[in-house]
Formats: sequence, structure tokens, C-alpha cells
Amino acid sequence: EADIYQTPRYLVIGTGKKITLECSQTMGHDKMYWYQQDPGMELHLIHYSYGVNSTEKGDLSSESTVSRIRTEHFPLTLESARPSHTSQYLCASRLPGLEAPLHFGNGTRLTVT
Amino acid sequence: AQSVAQPEDQVNVAEGNPLTVKCTYSVSGNPYLFWYVQYPNRGLQFLLKYITGDNLVKGSYGFEAEFNKSQTSFHLKKPSALVSDSALYFCAVRDWDTGFQKLVFGTGTRLLVSP
Repeated sequence: EADIYQTPRYLVIGTGKKITLECSQTMGHDKMYWYQQDPGMELHLIHYSYGVNSTEKGDLSSESTVSRIRTEHFPLTLESARPSHTSQYLCASRLPGLEAPLHFGNGTRLTVT
Repeated sequence: AQSVAQPEDQVNVAEGNPLTVKCTYSVSGNPYLFWYVQYPNRGLQFLLKYITGDNLVKGSYGFEAEFNKSQTSFHLKKPSALVSDSALYFCAVRDWDTGFQKLVFGTGTRLLVSP
């Protein structure tokens, strides 16, 4: 098992709430990623980071924001949650190098009511 | 743009039989290909990768994959399926257009192994 941790595992909140999904890794990886996974399984990249103070938007337009103040920590924030944000959120990290695979956390399943 | 296709939403196989999960790819350069598995309520786990070299790549849990450049395929295989292999399987290719920083994933294939 890779040392990448996501909290909480499950979250049910009401519309309009601000939430932060936590992701931490102890492997010293510079590159980190957030994916949103549909109920139908497909993965969409929503944010990524090359290192401290570096963040980029992914392929899927998202109303979330991320920060990377420390190498090991890559939180994702929703300022005002909506039912359309209901999904599974997966955090991942990897070593540099084209051959390096992604290591994933176990995900946060978010339900917005 | 790079892409991978997993043509089967679900594959059904009996325990003990060989299994194949299909993946085809489209890339503008050399393909860097990966297979991942996802068990219920878990993140994805890396199974194996093809970067260069032998076309038959061996990975975790007895899985292997065959790289075929002429058919642009990277099918995942296992000689004898186990019920515990039932899971979601994702093929992915490294994205050249973003300086290789991203992986492009297929839509996933659900493998169901019956006892």
C-alpha cells in the first residue's frame, strides 16, 4: 500500500457549505494530482501540482481550488458545495520520471444534499 | 491528443479460466502504458507498465500485459482467474501533450469472475 492518505473517507454535507478534502503523502513526491471519479467509473483530472507553490487546472472544469504550501500536503477546497459536486475524489502522487506510476489514496466519497 | 479505449464495459469469466481485458491506444509518440486495478471503496492500485523492451510485461497478482505496436493494443491477461480478481480495471497512457505530466485513463472495465 502506498503512503498517501485522504480524509475524510465519507462526507455528507448540505448545499452551500465550504469543505476541504485533505490529502497527504509521506513519500516526498513532488507531483500530486486530484481526480474526480463518476459513479460510472470514469476518472477526470481536476487539478495537479509539480511541487510547492505550483498548481494547475486539469482537464475537467471544476469549481474547486487547491493549494500546495508543503510537499506532503495537497488539499482541495469547495467554497460552496452543490449537489453536482457529489462524487468520489481521488488524490494521487508520483515520483519524477516518465515511467513512474501514480500512487492513489483511498478516496473521499462526497455527497452534497 | 493521447487516448486509450477500453471497448468492454464488463468482462465475465469463470474462475480458473484465462481472462483478457482489452485496451487500445492512440499516441503521437512512444507509448508509455499502464494498467491499474480498483477494488470497491478503494483508490486505484498500479498493476504493471510498458515503457520499452519486451512486449510481454509481467506485473502484480499474476497479471501480465501484451504490448502490440502494430495493433496499438495493450491487453491485460491472466492465465487463471480468481474470484478475488473481480474489480475495475483501468488502462492509461502518459500524455505527451502536457510534457508527460498527466495520465490519460480509459473508461474502465469491470471484471466479474464467477465461482
